[in-house]
Amino acid sequence: QKEVEQNSGPLSVPEGAIASLNCTYSDRGSQSFFWYRQYSGKSPELIMSIYSNGDKEDGRFTAQLNKASQYVSLLIRDSQPSDSATYLCAVAGGGYNKLIFGAGTRLAVHP
Amino acid sequence: DTAVSQTPKYLVTQMGNDKSIKCEQNLGHDTMYWYKQDSKKFLKIMFSYNNKELIINETVPNRFSPKSPDKAHLNLHINSLELGDSAVYFCASSQEGTVRNTIYFGEGSWLTVV
Repeated sequence: QKEVEQNSGPLSVPEGAIASLNCTYSDRGSQSFFWYRQYSGKSPELIMSIYSNGDKEDGRFTAQLNKASQYVSLLIRDSQPSDSATYLCAVAGGGYNKLIFGAGTRLAVHP
Repeated sequence: DTAVSQTPKYLVTQMGNDKSIKCEQNLGHDTMYWYKQDSKKFLKIMFSYNNKELIINETVPNRFSPKSPDKAHLNLHINSLELGDSAVYFCASSQEGTVRNTIYFGEGSWLTVV
């Protein structure tokens, strides 16, 4: 069983729409949750981190965490073509910062 | 100045060869990592060092040997390369090794074994 699961996509949304990316995880002891964006041929870069249940907003991005359901999501408002990338959900738990990544969801924002 | 830099960026080599990838971070971080991203884009941790001490060692063939001469450097040596070792290897670092510390990735080293 995969530890962090994401729909591989592609998720296609029109420019200006809200993109909704979802992630589930299996380890109930997980404490930290991250969304990374990875453009093709580039390294992952951190978009959002969230540690408590609820919503966390940063500009056009909102991360949502529900530990009871073991579910993390990322909303991107006013999607732009430059948001087209693979979004990686990552989960950490335990004493050390061992990030477990999902396989990523490819987002395509079309004009 | 690149925060986490790794060399070489591209490496094509034959099966059976031994190769090394070097990584340096100038962020003053205590913890460094090696991650492997395979052809299916799955990013998986291999090793982590905190202040030169190995703290995470995933199930990785012992042909892979990390070395940390100081906390700013973490190198990866691979012996007897196999076709399946072809992947992108990312070095990364974080302030500490605890779960709330953001991990910053280097630009990756594309290894192709032929």
